[in-house]
Amino acid sequence: SQQGEEDPQALSIQEGENATMNCSYKTSINNLQWYRQNSGRGLVHLILIRSNEREKHSGRLRVTLDTSKKSSSLLITASRAADTASYFCATDDNYGQNFVFGPGTRLSVLP
Amino acid sequence: DAGITQSPRHKVTETGTPVTLRCHQTENHRYMYWYRQDPGHGLRLIHYSYGVKDTDKGEVSDGYSVSRSKTEDFLLTLESATSSQTSVYFCAISDGFREAEETQYFGPGTRLLVL
Repeated sequence: SQQGEEDPQALSIQEGENATMNCSYKTSINNLQWYRQNSGRGLVHLILIRSNEREKHSGRLRVTLDTSKKSSSLLITASRAADTASYFCATDDNYGQNFVFGPGTRLSVLP
Repeated sequence: DAGITQSPRHKVTETGTPVTLRCHQTENHRYMYWYRQDPGHGLRLIHYSYGVKDTDKGEVSDGYSVSRSKTEDFLLTLESATSSQTSVYFCAISDGFREAEETQYFGPGTRLLVL
């Protein structure tokens, strides 16, 4: 099955800096979603971008999608300690019914 | 957590025993999912349901069964638990016409340790 792979696996930055995480996938998709998971908690949906969209914003989040490269990036601007979490991309499966999650990027924002 | 509860939140059991995890939602969402989360694998879909009594297998369904007799409840059963089923289990729900375009809302998770 197709799968998103996040890169890097772990990222450590200072508060106020920008954080960029990337997701690559293998086959054509209908949409791609990003989720955040705080330690010991369930995942929380951040943003969805469809295959015909190139960029999407939500507050301090900016997501881009390049279908020719089969990749997406999540940019968190002016990071805060509260952004410390794992971030996952999810792509729809070959049947367009369910999601396939990548292994995630662990982001640490140091105060 | 969008009206989703999971029980129990923590469980320790022995190899060979049956285990049932419960997911309960108050959102009246049509779709319900069970995932397991293991280091280095992200979340992997075990089973999902698209309505009462309508279920299907996911990527890692071997050793697991599910049942959905009411809209609000989705049960995951490990018929004979094995150590490889030690994991964190998440329930998720979603609603909408096209499943893969809908946001999934996740429960708080159940930590299962099989000794």
